Amino acid sequence: DQQVKQNSPSLSVQEGRISILNCDYTNSMFDYFLWYKKYPAEGPTFLISISSIKDKNEDGRFTVFLNKSAKHLSLHIVPSQPGDSAVYFCAASGVSSNTGKLIFGQGTTLQVKP
Amino acid sequence: DVKVTQSSRYLVKRTGEKVFLECVQDMDHENMFWYRQDPGLGLRLIYFSYDVKMKEKGDIPEGYSVSREKKERFSLILESASTNQTSMYLCASSSTLGVNTEAFFGQGTRLTVV
Repeated sequence: DQQVKQNSPSLSVQEGRISILNCDYTNSMFDYFLWYKKYPAEGPTFLISISSIKDKNEDGRFTVFLNKSAKHLSLHIVPSQPGDSAVYFCAASGVSSNTGKLIFGQGTTLQVKP
Repeated sequence: DVKVTQSSRYLVKRTGEKVFLECVQDMDHENMFWYRQDPGLGLRLIYFSYDVKMKEKGDIPEGYSVSREKKERFSLILESASTNQTSMYLCASSSTLGVNTEAFFGQGTRLTVV
């Protein structure tokens, strides 16, 4: 049972435009959400996170939105750059678990065309 | 600069061999994790450890075991390697300090079982 889902395997956008990556979750106990970026042959690197007490978190070109009622979050990248081309993973955890265990989605491959 | 180091970037092993994947972190983190990444399946948790000598099964522990004798080191063991264990293996660590913290990943080990 996939608790975190990224239903779009891939996304292609033009440089300078907005990229929107989506993620859905099913477990209402999740209260902390993260986005990771992964280049081929490298480990994932942390990008941005959001706690369930917020509905938006912004860091430079990256903004994450959380809609708890819909159990949905999205990552917006504005403006998109060719260097943003990578696989993006959404992850979730519950604060009740102090082990920091993260549940990941399947990933979305973003291609930003020059 | 925080660091999670995996002992090998690439490994080729024969079916039936016992395989050891080593991971070391220098951040004094309590939590350590082993994931595998496969296309279309995202990152799936194999095992995790929240303290020395403590371990818990993740979502796909079959065919694997782990060892954590020292806080900084977490080893993944494939008892008898099989071709369906060909994958990218990712080690991660995180701290229990603070309410929400991200996990830091190593560079990954691409394991091929022939």
